[in-house]
Amino acid sequence: EAGVTQFPSHSVIEKGQTVTLRCDPISGHDNLYWYRRVMGKEIKFLLHFVKESKQDESGMPNNRFLAERTGGTYSTLKVQPAELEDSGVYFCASRPGLAGYNEQFFGPGTRLTVL
Amino acid sequence: AQSVTQPDIHITVSEGASLELRCNYSYGATPYLFWYVQSPGQGLQLLLKYFSGDTLVQGIKGFEAEFKRSQSSFNLRKPSVHWSDAAEYFCAVGAPGFQKLVFGTGTRLLVSP
Repeated sequence: EAGVTQFPSHSVIEKGQTVTLRCDPISGHDNLYWYRRVMGKEIKFLLHFVKESKQDESGMPNNRFLAERTGGTYSTLKVQPAELEDSGVYFCASRPGLAGYNEQFFGPGTRLTVL
Repeated sequence: AQSVTQPDIHITVSEGASLELRCNYSYGATPYLFWYVQSPGQGLQLLLKYFSGDTLVQGIKGFEAEFKRSQSSFNLRKPSVHWSDAAEYFCAVGAPGFQKLVFGTGTRLLVSP
């Protein structure tokens, strides 16, 4: 079974440009999460989808970030316009929609560099 | 609010020596606790988790962790480190119903020959 995949693995953009990150969760996982790690700091929660609905977006930094999960499958995270402080590694994770607290399965991350 | 502290940014251990990585958490009730490991180019892999019951938890790759409520700690241990254990280790806490994980800043483990 394929794990969580993320694309691209690396992205280097100029300040003011737009970037879209993609996450493909494990097939059948209803829950999808986005996290971000700014260099040297902790991994921070951004938001949580249950199927196509946003369950919790309390960690989204500002309105330059837009996350979607059309059809409850893959998800995209768009940053527009990108700022220098958006640089970091963006992780996606997924979890089955079963009752109880199950493991979150993480992807390898997308390293975003904003110049 | 929940928080996690990993006081050691870097640790160097000789191959074959024992390892202990520290983790302290802040949470009002009994938390769900996790240790994840990230090897270069890989995603975060779950080593072990604690939800309830026995406070000594066994994980994959020979790791174990002990939940100590009185110290608000969940330290990760391994009796004999292998060179392949060199990676970054993250402690995380979650709460029932909230789903999201709160992570510490991570500890990078270096293994010397």
